Amino acid sequence: GDSVTQMEGPVTLSEEAFLTINCTYTATGYPSLFWYVQYPGEGLQLLLKATKADDKGSNKGFEATYRKETTSFHLEKGSVQVSDSAVYFCALSGSGGSNYKLTFGKGTLLTVNP
Amino acid sequence: NAGVTQTPKFQVLKTGQSMTLQCAQDMNHNSMYWYRQDPGMGLRLIYYSASEGTTDKGEVPNGYNVSRLNKREFSLRLESAAPSQTSVYFCASSEAGTGVHGYTFGSGTRLTVV
Repeated sequence: GDSVTQMEGPVTLSEEAFLTINCTYTATGYPSLFWYVQYPGEGLQLLLKATKADDKGSNKGFEATYRKETTSFHLEKGSVQVSDSAVYFCALSGSGGSNYKLTFGKGTLLTVNP
Repeated sequence: NAGVTQTPKFQVLKTGQSMTLQCAQDMNHNSMYWYRQDPGMGLRLIYYSASEGTTDKGEVPNGYNVSRLNKREFSLRLESAAPSQTSVYFCASSEAGTGVHGYTFGSGTRLTVV
C-alpha cells in the first residue's frame, strides 16, 4: 500500500537558518504530493502541493520538488523565522481508485529559536 | 468564514460512555473524512465518505461508527469509549473523486477517556 516516510524530529534551528525536511514515498501510479503545516492547537493547513513529476510547489518561502526518480518531496526554506515553528506533515494522494484519500507521514516538529 | 466546523473542541468521557463528534462543511465538498492524531503516529484514517450516502472503513475503524447525515455533515460516534480512544480527532473534506486539491481540515476535538 501507499506510505510516506519523513525525517524524524524534533528539528531545532536558529532564526534565518536553512531548513530541509526529508520526505520519501511509496505508491503505485502517479500520486499527488502535499506538505501540510500544523501550528500549536490548530488543525492542519495545506502549505504546498505538486501533482506531477518535476513540479515545484511553493508557498510562504517554502518549496518542494516532486522527484519521481528518487520518490522524494523534500521541504526546504532558505531562511526560517520563529513563526515557522510548527509540525510539518508530508502526504500523498494515491492515483486510481484511492485518489481521494491522503496518506500522511508521522510529522516533523520544527522549533525555530530567535 | 467557509471551512470545516467541528464540535465540541474538548471532551472528557468516562470509560464506557458514548458520544458523537460533529462535523460540518460549507464548501459543497463531496468527500469527508475522520482522522485521529496520536503522538508519534501521525494521522490515521478512521472512516471516510467518498460521497453522500456512502461510508467506508479506514485504517483504524474499530470502536467507531459514522453517519453521513447529508452532504454537509459527517458525524463520528464512540459507542463505548475506551482509554485507547484518547486522542485528537480531525474532520476533513475534499472535492469529489480526486486528491489533487488536498483536504480542508477542521480545528480538531481533543478527547480524553478516563
